[in-house]
Amino acid sequence: AQSVSQHNHHVILSEAASLELGCNYSYGGTVNLFWYVQYPGQHLQLLLKYFSGDPLVKGIKGFEAEFIKSKFSFNLRKPSVQWSDTAEYFCAANSGGGADGLTFGKGTHLIIQP
Amino acid sequence: GAVVSQHPSWVICKSGTSVKIECRSLDFQATTMFWYRQFPKQSLMLMATSNEGSKATYEQGVEKDKFLINHASLTLSTLTVTSAHPEDSSFYICSAREMRSRAYNEQFFGPGTRLTVL
Repeated sequence: AQSVSQHNHHVILSEAASLELGCNYSYGGTVNLFWYVQYPGQHLQLLLKYFSGDPLVKGIKGFEAEFIKSKFSFNLRKPSVQWSDTAEYFCAANSGGGADGLTFGKGTHLIIQP
Repeated sequence: GAVVSQHPSWVICKSGTSVKIECRSLDFQATTMFWYRQFPKQSLMLMATSNEGSKATYEQGVEKDKFLINHASLTLSTLTVTSAHPEDSSFYICSAREMRSRAYNEQFFGPGTRLTVL
């Protein structure tokens, strides 16, 4: 069955610390991968996406993610977090064909302490 | 661009009544819209896929007679929760897939509708 798992449910960091949120997927065939952010009281926003090509993907707000096919992973990284990065982060995937809805991970609640 | 709206943003209803939620793509045409459900502090779960002009495809475990989906135009899909009960209380989120970005497979999410059934 298709699935997306996120390892860290709650992460607390200090400002300027480096961030890495884990995401693993289980999909047959080709896969599209996404990271979304949900700020308190707001709707989902796309941070970045991977469809094909360069496995290192750069997104908005200084985030990046690396697709490692051999590890079935798509971890999200940011070298230096800010207080405003406090939010819920969701990894998601669908099949490479593109017609399917997204399968989401359980999310990671990130708290940045000033 | 690529803005998706939902109406209402929140609704409270009595048990046994039906509630309709609208999802609109404001500045693009969407052949496909998706409906998700998010319980408090949990992830989004895909409920159904709605294609314009055809019947919706429901995920396993989702009652199609309870959650009626209509996708009558390229910019509007509706979700009707029929005979709502307290366990249907949740956050319902739609997304839309833009026609011309088919090659990029990106979905744009609405702000969600919080349903509370008393």
